[in-house]
Amino acid sequence: GENVEQHPSTLSVQEGDSAVIKCTYSDSASNYFPWYKQELGKRPQLIIDIRSNVGEKKDQRIAVTLNKTAKHFSLHITETQPEDSAVYFCAASANFGNEKLTFGTGTRLTIIP
Amino acid sequence: EPEVTQTPSHQVTQMGQEVILRCVPISNHLYFYWYRQILGQKVEFLVSFYNNEISEKSEIFDDQFSVERPDGSNFTLKIRSTKLEDSAMYFCASRVQGTYGYTFGSGTRLTVV
Repeated sequence: GENVEQHPSTLSVQEGDSAVIKCTYSDSASNYFPWYKQELGKRPQLIIDIRSNVGEKKDQRIAVTLNKTAKHFSLHITETQPEDSAVYFCAASANFGNEKLTFGTGTRLTIIP
Repeated sequence: EPEVTQTPSHQVTQMGQEVILRCVPISNHLYFYWYRQILGQKVEFLVSFYNNEISEKSEIFDDQFSVERPDGSNFTLKIRSTKLEDSAMYFCASRVQGTYGYTFGSGTRLTVV
């Protein structure tokens, strides 16, 4: 089955700096890659996603890049703000999201004011 | 914005007891899921449900677990005889056919004592 690795497990950045979180996946059938933000005690919330037919997607301060050959994808957050502090999970799914999501182990991002 | 509703938000139960976790998916969603998250760990897939039957289940979803859609709106997860290791946050999620993003419920924190 699919295995998703995520790094780093914790990340602290100064407010205003950029943060990058990286994930690798094992199953070449995976073709949908969402990122979720989870604040303490709350539900995972989708912040951005990408399908395998594109290499990059951007939404304001958030971007995701995908390298299908290397089987890795990354989340980039620019101009970080204190409210970006949370746990971020990457995930992978086959059949463009019609299959189950396999999550990474999460990255606790702390923005230092 | 439509939400997936889960009840109760927190349930404490004695080991060996049966619990039923309830979810009301978004009304036009056709795909339903249960995931769980042990404290501090990643989100794990339990089961997917479509067209009134299980479409996929993980190795975690053993004979102690069952799902039902008893009345066309509620979607329930039953654990027949709870174990200490069943303590986790359980998330329900739903999805519209033809879209990629899941909507997660706010979760039920199950504590088995």
